[in-house]
Amino acid sequence: ETGVTQTPRHLVMGMTNKKSLKCEQHLGHNAMYWYKQSAKKPLELMFVYSLEERVENNSVPSRFSPECPNSSHLFLHLHTLQPEDSALYLCASSQGTSGALSTDTQYFGPGTRLTVL
Amino acid sequence: GQNIDQPTEMTATEGAIVQINCTYQTSGFNGLFWYQQHAGEAPTFLSYNVLDGLEEKGRFSSFLSRSKGYSYLLLKELQMKDSASYLCAAGSSNTGKLIFGQGTTLQVKP
Repeated sequence: ETGVTQTPRHLVMGMTNKKSLKCEQHLGHNAMYWYKQSAKKPLELMFVYSLEERVENNSVPSRFSPECPNSSHLFLHLHTLQPEDSALYLCASSQGTSGALSTDTQYFGPGTRLTVL
Repeated sequence: GQNIDQPTEMTATEGAIVQINCTYQTSGFNGLFWYQQHAGEAPTFLSYNVLDGLEEKGRFSSFLSRSKGYSYLLLKELQMKDSASYLCAAGSSNTGKLIFGQGTTLQVKP
């Protein structure tokens, strides 16, 4: 049990649909992350929030829109996606108090397997 | 630039020892993480090295050489459940984030 949950676990959507991915962490952490994991590729960092403020937007297309209403919840809103966006989307959290997020141990959720038709 | 390199796949025998290597080029390097990821599951933290040397934790050990930009994960007394992907990630104080390698898929055979 990692303390980070994600819903849904699987999602199939058409290119014109709008859907949202949800992440919740029960670890009392201050930083949350969205990653994209494609087959045979490294984890790609998409967004980072620290104390509910976005601190990283890694040149992600605008069809992905994050939302962090509080330090325990993170959403990824999806709109007009492309087939190449099909991947595993992982959420992670970390303590976020060290001042250097790159030294924080990140705790991952199980991911949402997204398929775009 | 930022780059992490690790082998794509490895195979080893149950009960044996396997070493998974990782080389990195990271500006402002401030530590090296290893994560384990079973198929369809979340990556889970294994180890973190910031100083040179070997850190041992049960059957798993992790080594770091900052001068060589090199790390390895050593798995002893391999078990079937160790079949998984092992992710190497380097931290950068310049960018404030982790750079992940593509992962090494380890298959343990009887």
